[in-house]
Amino acid sequence: DTEVTQTPKHLVMGMTNKKSLKCEQHMGHRAMYWYKQKAKKPPELMFVYSYEKLSINESVPSRFSPECPNSSLLNLHLHALQPEDSALYLCASSQDPGGGAGNEQFFGPGTRLTVL
Amino acid sequence: RKEVEQDPGPFNVPEGATVAFNCTYSNSASQSFFWYRQDCRKEPKLLMSVYSSGNEDGRFTAQLNRASQYISLLIRDSKLSDSATYLCVVNKGGGSYIPTFGRGTSLIVHP
Repeated sequence: DTEVTQTPKHLVMGMTNKKSLKCEQHMGHRAMYWYKQKAKKPPELMFVYSYEKLSINESVPSRFSPECPNSSLLNLHLHALQPEDSALYLCASSQDPGGGAGNEQFFGPGTRLTVL
Repeated sequence: RKEVEQDPGPFNVPEGATVAFNCTYSNSASQSFFWYRQDCRKEPKLLMSVYSSGNEDGRFTAQLNRASQYISLLIRDSKLSDSATYLCVVNKGGGSYIPTFGRGTSLIVHP
């Protein structure tokens, strides 16, 4: 199984709502990532979890709150978002968090988020 | 200078053509390198890892030049289905692991 799954596929929310994005992988990977991607731009790294611990937070606003309940799951909790937060949110995993050769990331299909 | 730079293109080529993309990186401590392909409104998919010795997978060849700090992707005998954005990813070394994406190069293969 080389699949990363994400739910929901699409999400529309108001600025006062609270919602969560979910990501799951069963490849035994120990590093998981959240990215944000706007149209015609590359993915921007938001968070990295390494062995279920938050290892990198790329100065993301606190209205985005990641959570890693176990080694297979990654959540992104959303609260009080702004319209400019509308984007494709991608989850990825890799075998380990090291920077060595061969540490490829596998991406989920993403959640397309619209904030009204 | 950006950490990872790519020519955004688009590269507009006929079917059957050979096309090459380069990606330059600024951090000499970078340890691992990848090419991803992304179709419109889809997730990035790994195309190739790039090793020091270079590697080939069918019509695709990737090379690493550490001295000049760039990686390259060569596509031979282009197909219509090769039309996509090709993203270069460089993983920093030096103790902190942060994958850095280039802005992508758009390829359009026409009949």
